[in-house]
Amino acid sequence: EVHLVEIGGGLIQPGGSLRLSCAGSGFSVSNTYMSWVRQAPGKGLEWVSVIYSDGSPLYADSVKGRFTISRDTSKNTIYLQMNSLRAEDTAVYYCARDTCHDGTCYQDSWGQGTLVTVSS
Amino acid sequence: QSVLTQPPSVSAALGQKVTISCSGSRSNIGNNFVSWYQHLPGTAPKLLIYDNNKRPSGIPDRFSGSKSGTSATLGITRLQTGDEADYYCATWDSSLSAHVVFGGGTKLTVL
Repeated sequence: EVHLVEIGGGLIQPGGSLRLSCAGSGFSVSNTYMSWVRQAPGKGLEWVSVIYSDGSPLYADSVKGRFTISRDTSKNTIYLQMNSLRAEDTAVYYCARDTCHDGTCYQDSWGQGTLVTVSS
Repeated sequence: QSVLTQPPSVSAALGQKVTISCSGSRSNIGNNFVSWYQHLPGTAPKLLIYDNNKRPSGIPDRFSGSKSGTSATLGITRLQTGDEADYYCATWDSSLSAHVVFGGGTKLTVL
């Protein structure tokens, strides 16, 4: 059974940094695409970043240059390094496993999320 | 503001049927597969429909998906109180440098 667990959220001041982790089990993160998706308070789901199976990343324009996605295949874990945090980054952050074909991906398994609050 | 448009809310009576629409364009829904997610506050989102109309293992056949042109629809029959949740459509948009785009979400209320 696929299982994803995120940790690392918390309260951080604007301009600060935080690293989120997402540990996977029941599959290998090296063989699949993995995404981070967030939900700000009162808002909908927003895709943040993906790491492809070859290790290359892609970012939403809203986080490009500030966030970095990476993985450690030995720990079967992906990370989201978040720098220069802003109030608008406040959200629950979910990691998800992607299944893709014919140019379209869907997220077939999700973690329970971790809350990031950016506030002074 | 998402490129995929969903109604903010829908409602229907217990045991009845409801549909949720997702409107897009040729660069997204028109040329790509659509997926649907159920999200209850405080929990992990759940994949309900993928590839327009396929259900993952464990999703009851009360949930169905369809696509026509640049719009997609999620149908839920025999509504239960446990179906009260937010529902999101999603797909890829070839005009954006985004891996996936989500609709704005629809809050379902079961009366």
